[in-house]
Amino acid sequence: EVQLVESGGGLVKPGGSLRLSCAASGFNFRSYSMNWVRQAPGKGLEWVSSISGTSTYIYYADSVKGRFTISRDDAKNSLYLQMNSLRADDTAVYYCAKDAPVAAPYFDYWGQGTLVTVSS
Amino acid sequence: SYELTQPPSVSVSPGQTARITCSGDALPKKYAYWYQQKSGQAPVLVIYEDRKRPSGIPERFSGSSSGTMATLTISGAQVEDEADYYCYSTDSSGNRRVFGGGTKLTVL
Repeated sequence: EVQLVESGGGLVKPGGSLRLSCAASGFNFRSYSMNWVRQAPGKGLEWVSSISGTSTYIYYADSVKGRFTISRDDAKNSLYLQMNSLRADDTAVYYCAKDAPVAAPYFDYWGQGTLVTVSS
Repeated sequence: SYELTQPPSVSVSPGQTARITCSGDALPKKYAYWYQQKSGQAPVLVIYEDRKRPSGIPERFSGSSSGTMATLTISGAQVEDEADYYCYSTDSSGNRRVFGGGTKLTVL
């Protein structure tokens, strides 16, 4: 059974940093692209970043480019999101999501999310 | 930046057909996908590659795409189908992933 468990969320002041983690199990982690998707309170879904199975390809939404860094540790079956220079509009639930098989660019499994609140 | 446009809300009575549209300039060349999200839950894929239905998704959910518009159709909508629905795709390069703004489906 595929499981994705996010952690690391919390309250941080504007300008601060936070590192999110996603522990994956139930599939061959190194073979799949992984993603972060966020949802601000009462708002829609927003794709944040993607990383390929070999970390060769990394992409970011314009809203986080230059501030957030996605990475993975295939030996630990873990995905990370380093968030710097946080702003109030980064407040959201952050979901870890697995890409579907056959390099299809959509998400077939999601975690339950971790809440990041940026406030003074 | 690339955008997908959905109506904010759609309302139907139980048993009626609900249609939710999604427009985007890259849709003639890129697949559309649809996610259902119920309150407080993670999204669930209900349609992939324009019209395919994942296992476990009821047959009343179907998808289509023509030109720059994709459509999610729920035939005989049920009260339990009340949720937010998001279309999803990629830009023309395939590297940027995009969600539509979401459509709140009310069934009552």
